[in-house]
Amino acid sequence: AQSVTQLDSQVPVFEEAPVELRCNYSSSVSVYLFWYVQYPNQGLQLLLKYLSGSTLVESINGFEAEFNKSQTSFHLRKPSVHISDTAEYFCAVSPMNTGFQKLVFGTGTRLLVSP
Amino acid sequence: SAVISQKPSRDICQRGTSLTIQCQVDSQVTMMFWYRQQPGQSLTLIATANQGSEATYESGFVIDKFPISRPNLTFSTLTVSNMSPEDSSIYLCSVGQGGADTQYFGPGTRLTVL
Repeated sequence: AQSVTQLDSQVPVFEEAPVELRCNYSSSVSVYLFWYVQYPNQGLQLLLKYLSGSTLVESINGFEAEFNKSQTSFHLRKPSVHISDTAEYFCAVSPMNTGFQKLVFGTGTRLLVSP
Repeated sequence: SAVISQKPSRDICQRGTSLTIQCQVDSQVTMMFWYRQQPGQSLTLIATANQGSEATYESGFVIDKFPISRPNLTFSTLTVSNMSPEDSSIYLCSVGQGGADTQYFGPGTRLTVL
C-alpha cells in the first residue's frame, strides 16, 4: 500500500519570496511521483511529474521538484513566488505496477501568496 | 490534454435521495476514474470505469452505493445513492489513456447533503 504525507496544510508567503512545499511518501513498491495544482474554482492540473531519469524535474511556470529516494521525498520548490501561484498543491504517487491507473494523493497544501 | 466537463458543478440534496453526476470528455479515452475529496482530506479513488466492462471499486466503496455507468468512450456517470451528510464531498472524474502517464481531471462536483 502507498501513503503520501504533506505535513503543511497551509503555507503563507510574501510575493517574490522562495517557497518549499514538502511531500513524503511510503510505498512497498517503486512509484512514479506527481504534483498537481488546483487554482480557486478550477479542476486539478498536472504541474510536474517524475517517471525516471534526472531526479530534478521542472514545470513551465518556474516550479521544480527533486526526487530523493533515500528520504522518500518529492518536495516542490520555487525561488520566487507570484500572487498567481496562490492555489492548493497536491502531491501524488502511482505504483509502477499499476500502469498509472492508481493515484494516491496527499491531503494538499494551500499556498497563500500575499503582496 | 483532454478537456473534461462535469454536471452539475454543485448541488444541495436532502438525505435519502440520490444524485447522478455526469462526466463528459472531448476525446475518446480508455480509462475513466471517479474520486472523492472529503472536506479537509485528500482525494480518494472510488472506482475505475472502462468502457465495455463493469467498474472496478476500491476498498470501502460498493456498487450499490456508487453505481457507475460507462456507455461509451467519452462519457461516464457516477450516482451517489441514498445520501447522508457524510457523503458531502467534491466528486471528481479523471481520464487516462492506456499507457499514458498522466491523468486529467474534471472541475469537480461539490455535493452538500442536508
